[in-house]
Amino acid sequence: GAGVSQSPSNKVTEKGKDVELRCDPISGHTALYWYRQSLGQGLEFLIYFQGNSAPDKSGLPSDRFSAERTGGSVSTLTIQRTQQEDSAVYLCASSLGDRLGEQYFGPGTRLTVT
Amino acid sequence: KQEVTQIPAALSVPEGENLVLNCSFTDSAIYNLQWFRQDPGKGLTSLLLIQSSQREQTSGRLNASLDKSSGRSTLYIAASQPGDSATYLCAVKTSGSRLTFGEGTQLTVNP
Repeated sequence: GAGVSQSPSNKVTEKGKDVELRCDPISGHTALYWYRQSLGQGLEFLIYFQGNSAPDKSGLPSDRFSAERTGGSVSTLTIQRTQQEDSAVYLCASSLGDRLGEQYFGPGTRLTVT
Repeated sequence: KQEVTQIPAALSVPEGENLVLNCSFTDSAIYNLQWFRQDPGKGLTSLLLIQSSQREQTSGRLNASLDKSSGRSTLYIAASQPGDSATYLCAVKTSGSRLTFGEGTQLTVNP
């Protein structure tokens, strides 16, 4: 079946604007994850969804970041009042949901804040 | 706090050579370990998943081993090819849900 998809693939925005990043997980995967990959920072965890609930939001860097998931499927990561340090590749992954599950990643959204 | 280290940071080899990438982690209480490949400007492709109860996994020319007690994993690539050139990432799942990643090994296989 189809893999994890993300949109847009690239986003350039001005500092101070809000952005929304979308993730479509693999059908049937109940767990969904957001990660961020920055130059010099490596890959860091942001948030985890199980169904529509987010039991672990501890990786969100500030209250400007929020995420939701609806229908146990699509997820949206919103960044308000973007800053230049938010520039990164935002990656989404999904898995079958048990803690042993393999995570499958989407192609990412490259966000550039000017 | 789980920390993952990958050595070397970069590796350049001639085509056909067998090679080993190393990954170490500080907290041995892991659920599983995954090796990924990342091509420039692309997402992550899962290569191998080793559950904590397993010692190794194989897929084609790739073999990954896990020694949980010593906090180490290796990825062995046999008969390397230029198409293997990429960044290889090791990640462990310690608790809950998140993966903790190493910084990666950038591999270049020269024709």
